Amino acid sequence: GESVGLHLPTLSVQEGDNSIINCAYSNSASDYFIWYKQESGKGPQFIIDIRSNMDKRQGQRVTVLLNKTVKHLSLQIAATQPGDSAVYFCAENTASGGSYIPTFGRGTSLIVHP
Amino acid sequence: DVKVTQSSRYLVKRTGEKVFLECVQDMDHENMFWYRQDPGLGLRLIYFSYDVKMKEKGDIPEGYSVSREKKERFSLILESASTNQTSMYLCASSLGSRQETQYFGPGTRLLVL
Repeated sequence: GESVGLHLPTLSVQEGDNSIINCAYSNSASDYFIWYKQESGKGPQFIIDIRSNMDKRQGQRVTVLLNKTVKHLSLQIAATQPGDSAVYFCAENTASGGSYIPTFGRGTSLIVHP
Repeated sequence: DVKVTQSSRYLVKRTGEKVFLECVQDMDHENMFWYRQDPGLGLRLIYFSYDVKMKEKGDIPEGYSVSREKKERFSLILESASTNQTSMYLCASSLGSRQETQYFGPGTRLLVL
């Protein structure tokens, strides 16, 4: 999961395994959450989002779970593939006026071994 | 597809120089953002803008300024570059109106000597 410090948390898995990446968010007023994937040399890309009125949302091979009680978010990747190797960021969004202010987690590095 | 472009992928500047980083998005997005990304620290918000000529400070605005004269363009300015501003700079845009998925550019890796 994500943590304080200069070293990026790393999750190593074998190809075909399921991966779970965790994120603790800080603001109980946050009501919109996004997971991003950042491959080497690229900017982050949207994977999946969830609003606070939900506790689970599924996409293609990915599922996001939200536990507002403990302010915890997780990203589950089914049948992980080498192409899933990247840094994953969670972002919590807090409403401010007509839009949202995002706060990003520090990221988790996912390494998938063939 | 939304495209966010940044003027340079790599930039080397000297301490004290004025540095301009340009960002352009082609999808008529209301919101634009500048982040810096450092190892182990994730993305930190420098400035953002909700509209033309409008700007708001993010978490780490010191040493930076921004300009948004046109909707599609958001510039980050380092008035007097310092070595601690060596970093990866990422620009992003979002549609606005609570559609807050951000679309990121490829980043500019800035080295200040």
